[in-house]
Amino acid sequence: NAGVMQNPRHLVRRRGQEARLRCSPMKGHSHVYWYRQLPEEGLKFMVYLQKENIIDESGMPKERFSAEFPKEGPSILRIQQVVRGDSAAYFCASSPGTANEKLFFGSGTQLSVL
Amino acid sequence: EDQVTQSPEALRLQEGESSSLNCSYTVSGLRGLFWYRQDPGKGPEFLFTLYSAGEEKEKERLKATLTKKESFLHITAPKPEDSATYLCAVQATMTGLGFQKLVFGTGTRLLVSP
Repeated sequence: NAGVMQNPRHLVRRRGQEARLRCSPMKGHSHVYWYRQLPEEGLKFMVYLQKENIIDESGMPKERFSAEFPKEGPSILRIQQVVRGDSAAYFCASSPGTANEKLFFGSGTQLSVL
Repeated sequence: EDQVTQSPEALRLQEGESSSLNCSYTVSGLRGLFWYRQDPGKGPEFLFTLYSAGEEKEKERLKATLTKKESFLHITAPKPEDSATYLCAVQATMTGLGFQKLVFGTGTRLLVSP
């Protein structure tokens, strides 16, 4: 049973470009979370999605950031017009969607903005 | 605002030298306190969930305990393979059941030397 798969592992973008981060949850998991880890800071919640629905995006910046989890395919975190401050590790996690307390994390995408 | 503070930031131990990591928290009603382990270049890996003061959980050389204000992760006779960053996180009761919106601390980097 494959774990949470994130790609790419490393992504380099120049200021003003777009970044697309992908996350395939564990098989059977319908709930996806995105967290961001800035250098010297703890993991910060960004957004919580179920299939075709954004449930809570209270941790996501209002501009330039968007997320989706379509009926088919991976969840996508999209960052438009990236700036240097967007450089961070972005982690996706999934859960089965019950009251299960365990989150399964992917290995993350390290985004570097030049 | 929910907050998690972990100490020390870094801890160096000799193999077999037992110690404890601290996690202090303030939260508007605690639904759960979580411990995760994170290896370099990897996502967090779930260790324990604690729900109420006085609760304890054990796994191999690790034991987690919880009071109303803090949690401890006790490491007994550690081995080099226990070297990792240990993360503490809390989930407030105001979040819906099954919604894993966690507030993380910045972690304790543990290095165990042979």
